[in-house]
Amino acid sequence: QKEVEQDPGPLSVPEGAIVSLNCTYSNSAFQYFMWYRQYSRKGPELLMYTYSSGNKEDGRFTAQVDKSSKYISLFIRDSQPSDSATYLCAMSAEGAQKLVFGQGTRLTINP
Amino acid sequence: GAVVSQHPSRVICKSGTSVKIECRSLDFQATTMFWYRQFPKQSLMLMATSNEGSKATYEQGVEKDKFLINHASLTLSTLTVTSAHPEDSSFYICSARDRWYGYTFGSGTRLTVV
Repeated sequence: QKEVEQDPGPLSVPEGAIVSLNCTYSNSAFQYFMWYRQYSRKGPELLMYTYSSGNKEDGRFTAQVDKSSKYISLFIRDSQPSDSATYLCAMSAEGAQKLVFGQGTRLTINP
Repeated sequence: GAVVSQHPSRVICKSGTSVKIECRSLDFQATTMFWYRQFPKQSLMLMATSNEGSKATYEQGVEKDKFLINHASLTLSTLTVTSAHPEDSSFYICSARDRWYGYTFGSGTRLTVV
């Protein structure tokens, strides 16, 4: 079993839809949770960063962490074609240097 | 925000030659830098972790003699692929970590060995 599970998709939705992406994990020591967006042939860019449980909102993006269920989510409201990319969840434990990544979900927003 | 510059973005080399990839943190000092390899439609695979002034720690299965990592300063790390072969062709990405900015990634280097 992988430490972090993420459905690779692909996921295709119409423009304007609400997109829900999620990851599950097995390591209860994870405290830092991140979502990265990666366009084709580019490096990942940080979208959202959350420490421990709770919600965080930034514009059209909302990140949720439920540590009791070991489940994290990223919601994208009013999705745009420019949101088409691969979304990677990543997490790390307190004091750990390394990030553990999910497999990434390929998302396409259709105009 | 934090910026990590990675060069070159794309390189083609002949089999048997060596290639060096640079990773620079432009506006912050990176206590730790990471090197990843990414295959098409797959996630990032950590190759090694390097702390400034010390030897890199390689992940299991990564040949340290083939993938030489140097982290000579708090703003520069290099990855040298030695005696490259076609199977080394891949997308290589660096990441720099700072206590304030967390993890910032470079834009990646596409290596093609012919």
